[in-house]
Amino acid sequence: AQSVTQPDIHITVSEGASLELRCNYSYGATPYLFWYVQSPGQGLQLLLKYFSGDTLVQGIKGFEAEFKRSQSSFNLRKPSVHWSDAAEYFCAVGRPYNQGGKLIFGQGTELSVKP
Amino acid sequence: EAQVTQNPRYLITVTGKKLTVTCSQNMNHEYMSWYRQDPGLGLRQIYYSMNVEVTDKGDVPEGYKVSRKEKRNFPLILESPSPNQTSLYFCASRTLRQGYEQYFGPGTRLTVT
Repeated sequence: AQSVTQPDIHITVSEGASLELRCNYSYGATPYLFWYVQSPGQGLQLLLKYFSGDTLVQGIKGFEAEFKRSQSSFNLRKPSVHWSDAAEYFCAVGRPYNQGGKLIFGQGTELSVKP
Repeated sequence: EAQVTQNPRYLITVTGKKLTVTCSQNMNHEYMSWYRQDPGLGLRQIYYSMNVEVTDKGDVPEGYKVSRKEKRNFPLILESPSPNQTSLYFCASRTLRQGYEQYFGPGTRLTVT
């Protein structure tokens, strides 16, 4: 069965430090991969997506992610974290619409930022 | 502005009292979906719709109904809510063209006592 695993439930980093959030997926075909961010009390905002092509994708707010097929991973990175990045981050695999079109989400990683 | 709207944003109700959460999108998207978010479980799909009058079950459909009579609207109906349906609900929509992501509404926090 398809699944997404985010091994870290909660991460704390200092402001200005680098960040890497891990995501591993299980999916038979070439996956559509997404990272969403959810700020407290807010909906989900798309940070970046990967469908094909260059395995290093750039997103909004200075985030990037790298697709590694051999490791079934799609880790999210940011070189320098800002206090406003404190939020919950979700990795997701998207099924094609002819297979139901749903997003399969990981459990989420909550990011705290120390001043 | 392109958006997905949900109403109400917050709702407290009692067991067994029927309720409807509305969802509307202004992007002419064919595909709409409902998810629920629970701590430690991420988001799970409840129902989805490929187009008007076409709906299907997601992973956790029990206790919910949906309808799609118009392209822009996709209401979620809880005919007899129970406390285990206390959750944060998100509506989402997307075009069926390849390469496009789902857009999410702001969420509806439902508490069933």
